[in-house]
Amino acid sequence: GIQVEQSPPDLILQEGANSTLRCNFSDSVNNLQWFHQNPWGQLINLFYIPSGTKQNGRLSATTVATERYSLLYISSSQTTDSGVYFCAVEGSYNTDKLIFGTGTRLQVFP
Amino acid sequence: DAGVTQSPTHLIKTRGQQVTLRCSPISGHKSVSWYQQVLGQGPQFIFQYYEKEERGRGNFPDRFSARQFPNYSSELNVNALLLGDSALYLCASSVGQNHNSPLHFGNGTRLTVT
Repeated sequence: GIQVEQSPPDLILQEGANSTLRCNFSDSVNNLQWFHQNPWGQLINLFYIPSGTKQNGRLSATTVATERYSLLYISSSQTTDSGVYFCAVEGSYNTDKLIFGTGTRLQVFP
Repeated sequence: DAGVTQSPTHLIKTRGQQVTLRCSPISGHKSVSWYQQVLGQGPQFIFQYYEKEERGRGNFPDRFSARQFPNYSSELNVNALLLGDSALYLCASSVGQNHNSPLHFGNGTRLTVT
């Protein structure tokens, strides 16, 4: 099945710093979504982004499906950005589920 | 509008028992999916239901079953609980059958099996 790898696995930042999270996938996908799981376990949808670039406030995401990767940019990070960031893909040949990546754990300190 | 709601929020069961978890999707969403998340890992797909029919099943034993009701709410049942079933169980809803629209998750049910 499709493999989804995220990097880095862990990231520690000071408030105000910028960061880039990467998601690589091993096969063609129909769509890709980014999620943020806060320390209380709540999983929030950040972007639905099968291709191209989207921005939402301090966050933006880019997916290059032909090269099998997606990037999530976080600018001017805040302590509330802490948590685990997951990308999830729907494979082109297995469309009944989203396959989640390994996650990036982000800690933002004041 | 209310988001995806799940009940109960926490549950403690003994090995061998059975459990039923409940989920109400966002109004207008016809697809409900269930995921299991064990500590330190990403969510793993269990089931997807669309228009009351099972549309997908993950690599979980037959002890896991689910159904979707006419109002699109859903239940996940797990029989003969094992210690390894301890996890956060997440329900998600979306508009369509395939994942061509954003998936929205509930806050989950944290199941502990002792």
